[in-house]
Amino acid sequence: GENVEQHPSTLSVQEGDSAVIKCTYSDSASNYFPWYKQELGKRPQLIIDIRSNVGEKKDQRIAVTLNKTAKHFSLHITETQPEDSAVYFCAATRTYKYIFGTGTRLKVLA
Amino acid sequence: KAGVTQTPRYLIKTRGQQVTLSCSPISGHRSVSWYQQTPGQGLQFLFEYFSETQRNKGNFPGRFSGRQFSNSRSEMNVSTLELGDSALYLCASSLGDSSNEQFFGPGTRLTVL
Repeated sequence: GENVEQHPSTLSVQEGDSAVIKCTYSDSASNYFPWYKQELGKRPQLIIDIRSNVGEKKDQRIAVTLNKTAKHFSLHITETQPEDSAVYFCAATRTYKYIFGTGTRLKVLA
Repeated sequence: KAGVTQTPRYLIKTRGQQVTLSCSPISGHRSVSWYQQTPGQGLQFLFEYFSETQRNKGNFPGRFSGRQFSNSRSEMNVSTLELGDSALYLCASSLGDSSNEQFFGPGTRLTVL
């Protein structure tokens, strides 16, 4: 069935370093790949997304890359700050059915 | 615009009971999706409604059901509650067209004793 694998499950980085989270999806028909950030006790918030006709998208310190052939997509956060500490979820979707990864807990150490 | 709202925010039930959760989408959004969030399983897709019709369904038992009203508000029902149903239930709304972008509500925390 449809599946999204997300790695790593936890990630600790020093403030100012970069963080990379990787996801692999199984449904080759997936055409939309959002990333959500969820802070403790809060709702998931969309931080960046990419569509299947684009290979890379950047928004300030955040970027997402997509490799459709390998069915991989990754989130890159540069110059990490303490407020980036949260759980990050990737998702793959087609026809409005979102399949989420299991999440990555990112800790930015000051 | 007001965001997605969910009621109630917290619920405590006992095994065997049933529960109904409500979700009001952002004004103009016609799609509502429901998710179950647990620490070990992440976000699991339950179902998605658009214009009062269920368009997609996840792999949950028939005890989980939903519906959508003409004003796009949606309800989710869980019958014969089990301990394993304890979770945060999130709904998300979107326009429902090709834009895909979903906005989440704050969730309903269900505890089954």
